[in-house]
Amino acid sequence: QSALAQVRSVSGSPGQSVTISCTGTNSDVGTYNYVSWYQHHPGKAPRLIIYDVDKRPSGVPNRFSGSKSGNAASLTISGLQAEDEADYYCCSYAGSYTVIFGGGTKLTVL
Amino acid sequence: QLQLQESGPGLVKPSETLSLTCTVSGGSISSRSNYWGWIRQPPGKGLEWIGTIYYSGSAYYNPSLKSRLTMSVDTSKNYFSLKVNSVTAADTAVYYCARQTVFGVITLPNAFDIWGRGTEVTVSS
Repeated sequence: QSALAQVRSVSGSPGQSVTISCTGTNSDVGTYNYVSWYQHHPGKAPRLIIYDVDKRPSGVPNRFSGSKSGNAASLTISGLQAEDEADYYCCSYAGSYTVIFGGGTKLTVL
Repeated sequence: QLQLQESGPGLVKPSETLSLTCTVSGGSISSRSNYWGWIRQPPGKGLEWIGTIYYSGSAYYNPSLKSRLTMSVDTSKNYFSLKVNSVTAADTAVYYCARQTVFGVITLPNAFDIWGRGTEVTVSS
């Protein structure tokens, strides 16, 4: 089980949009529509922001959106705000009751 | 409101067994709509799924760690546990427990929607 591939860092200015990609394989992202995304501020518990590829839990702003194409999933954050600066992780069901995380992307709000 | 709290020793010696417990409050661990998972984050690294357990006791492990893991659940006391054998410095991490939602007719584990605050474990002599 190798981690899903994520770019290590992205950045954007307040008000802009950024997209974070997550590339898997036919054994995980490519086969299952059960990709989730987590926002993680250092020292705090991770927070679920997207599940089932494109669904938002209650309380998550609609500035956060998810999508998937083939073996790759994406998280888009529009109208960037300072508090969006955090680490973001994707996660996919990978069969046989297992899940796999991405390596994480550090978002810097300039 | 459901909450999870990890507990266990913060320091473990190399080659010994790391034991952690996750206590669930504000809800039942016996829900058929949830699994319960462990995730860790080594210093400077990303999140790594360790394993997942159902209230029935069925446990599923990360293949890369499977030989050293044991997970269990105590429905009467509403907690689940993790044991990692033969620890090394590579097991030093913040360990999180979390609730997993389910999908599918046969209820497969899905997203981690509620997390504990994490507990830091250091492996050192």
